[in-house]
Amino acid sequence: TQLLEQSPQFLSIQEGENLTVYCNSSSVFSSLQWYRQEPGEGPVLLVTVVTGGEVKKLKRLTFQFGDARKDSSLHITAAQPGDTGLYLCAGTYRFYNQGGKLIFGQGTELSVKP
Amino acid sequence: DAMVIQNPRYQVTQFGKPVTLSCSQTLNHNVMYWYQQKSSQAPKLLFHYYDKDFNNEADTPDNFQSRRPNTSFCFLDIRSPGLGDAAMYLCATSQNKFLSRLAGEGDTQYFGPGTRLTVL
Repeated sequence: TQLLEQSPQFLSIQEGENLTVYCNSSSVFSSLQWYRQEPGEGPVLLVTVVTGGEVKKLKRLTFQFGDARKDSSLHITAAQPGDTGLYLCAGTYRFYNQGGKLIFGQGTELSVKP
Repeated sequence: DAMVIQNPRYQVTQFGKPVTLSCSQTLNHNVMYWYQQKSSQAPKLLFHYYDKDFNNEADTPDNFQSRRPNTSFCFLDIRSPGLGDAAMYLCATSQNKFLSRLAGEGDTQYFGPGTRLTVL
């Protein structure tokens, strides 16, 4: 059974602070996605990381994929109230010939206060 | 431009009254997924279609069925909704190549905005 442990599950910070969210697993994933979800909406893709050790940046967000492709982190610099939402990491476990199954972390509820 | 579209965005049904949720995509992806998401939880996969091949998750209740009449459309049918079926239902798509070694980016799933189902 593939599991993805995401932490922290809740995070409340002040505007301007930095934060890091972690996703860890004992399984190797072919890729890992990070999504952001707002209430009443579907998850919106932020990034896909594929290669072990890969680092991708999206404005103030930095995503890293572990060398062994078992873990990932999301770092937000100078958080803003607009960053508030549910952040989901999801690793792809690839079927032989039937597409990929997403293994989700538990999610991180981020609240950034002005 | 919307790539994965779900209708309706909000659906209210009565206990036991069949309901159908629809999903369409403009991405021409070969895989379509249906997820159930309850409050403060991660999405839970119900089933997926790889082209026309239907793949059911082992713990998906028989009450949930799906149809994919063509590449662009996929439907979720709930035959007899119970109070416990009230949730957000998410459709997602991805493009996967048979026996492709070019995994990774091709496994990315793109989600629609979801349909919020209320059961009275």
